[in-house]
Amino acid sequence: AQTVTQSQPEMSVQEAETVTLSCTYDTSENNYYLFWYKQPPSRQMILVIRQEAYKQQNATENRFSVNFQKAAKSFSLKISDSQLGDTAMYFCAFVDSNYQLIWGAGTKLIIKP
Amino acid sequence: NAGVMQNPRHLVRRRGQEARLRCSPMKGHSHVYWYRQLPEEGLKFMVYLQKENIIDESGMPKERFSAEFPKEGPSILRIQQVVRGDSAAYFCASSPKRAGTGGELFFGEGSRLTVL
Repeated sequence: AQTVTQSQPEMSVQEAETVTLSCTYDTSENNYYLFWYKQPPSRQMILVIRQEAYKQQNATENRFSVNFQKAAKSFSLKISDSQLGDTAMYFCAFVDSNYQLIWGAGTKLIIKP
Repeated sequence: NAGVMQNPRHLVRRRGQEARLRCSPMKGHSHVYWYRQLPEEGLKFMVYLQKENIIDESGMPKERFSAEFPKEGPSILRIQQVVRGDSAAYFCASSPKRAGTGGELFFGEGSRLTVL
């Protein structure tokens, strides 16, 4: 069965620090997509970053970047220069050729002033 | 271009009543997905629909739950004879193409159902 594991239920860092959220997954597929979604207190799910498995280059979106290790099936999210507005639940998700998304349980990230 | 619109945002029902949750996808999106999120848990897939068709309902309970996405109008998730365990946030997402092809999912703000 395909699974996604986020081993950190909660993390907190000081504003402006860098934080890394971990995500591992299990699949026998070769082509798939990985996502990080953010869910702030407003509850709206917002896409943070996306990675195609066939691309070796790690995706980057402004202060957000990933460390994608396909062999290790690891997909961590790094947030640089963290801001108060980054406080949210972060979900790692995997989607395969059958379109179903498999979600991790989430990591609650708190940015302290 | 308006985002995915869900209503109602909050719905309170007594046990045994029916709940109807609506989702209007983004313009041009014909793929709709429903997810349920229990407190302190991640999103669980329920059903995937394309216009007028249910593509996959493997995540939806066989009893009391149904979904539709008519040719005209929003997608509707219907829960009959609600029980306390149905209390959750229900999220709808839409995409212009099938999620497995890498299309981004756009989420609504969710509908929170509380069953008394």
